[in-house]
Amino acid sequence: ETGVTQTPRHLVMGMTNKKSLKCEQHLGHNAMYWYKQSAKKPLELMFVYSLEERVENNSVPSRFSPECPNSSHLFLHLHTLQPEDSALYLCASSQETGAGNQPQHFGDGTRLSIL
Amino acid sequence: QQQVKQSPQSLIVQKGGISIINCAYENTAFDYFPWYQQFPGKGPALLIAIRPDVSEKKEGRFTISFNKSAKQFSLHIMDSQPGDSATYFCAAAGSARQLTFGSGTQLTVLP
Repeated sequence: ETGVTQTPRHLVMGMTNKKSLKCEQHLGHNAMYWYKQSAKKPLELMFVYSLEERVENNSVPSRFSPECPNSSHLFLHLHTLQPEDSALYLCASSQETGAGNQPQHFGDGTRLSIL
Repeated sequence: QQQVKQSPQSLIVQKGGISIINCAYENTAFDYFPWYQQFPGKGPALLIAIRPDVSEKKEGRFTISFNKSAKQFSLHIMDSQPGDSATYFCAAAGSARQLTFGSGTQLTVLP
């Protein structure tokens, strides 16, 4: 496989459930990102990891918990979500953090629906 | 200060026409301006990017025009094709900060 792979592609969960989103990158990059994409809104950066260390957390509610066990894998653990959390969650990677001249490569996202 | 304002929200163009999407920013520290293209069911993909030391960058049918004094930049798609139908996002960032995205433009190119 190449690029950035996200699983599952679709997820429906109740507000009391616990689930996890998975992201894997095969590009040899050192930085990984979680974004939230809602209709007609800018992509919202949630978390940034550089070499498995979290370097940015943009005031994301604690019901979202990221985990980066190594530079190729990124998880987003979900628990007690709210209906407004329904969105497309995108994972991205880049060679290093900081936009500079580092293009970000995105996965195809997980479409999350909260019942 | 961190916002990037994008317009129009949606755009319909005839095949062969020119598609123009505009973005404006506030933060003068921004020095990297990429455009991303997103097809339905797919993640955004980098299309073209520019730095403020040039006023224009062209790659095939896609051109970025950059006006530093006005703090504006735009994407021009020449000879637009139905396959260009997608959502386009502008973005901006300073050298050590993360990307700030516009709200997107849904482009439809009619056959």
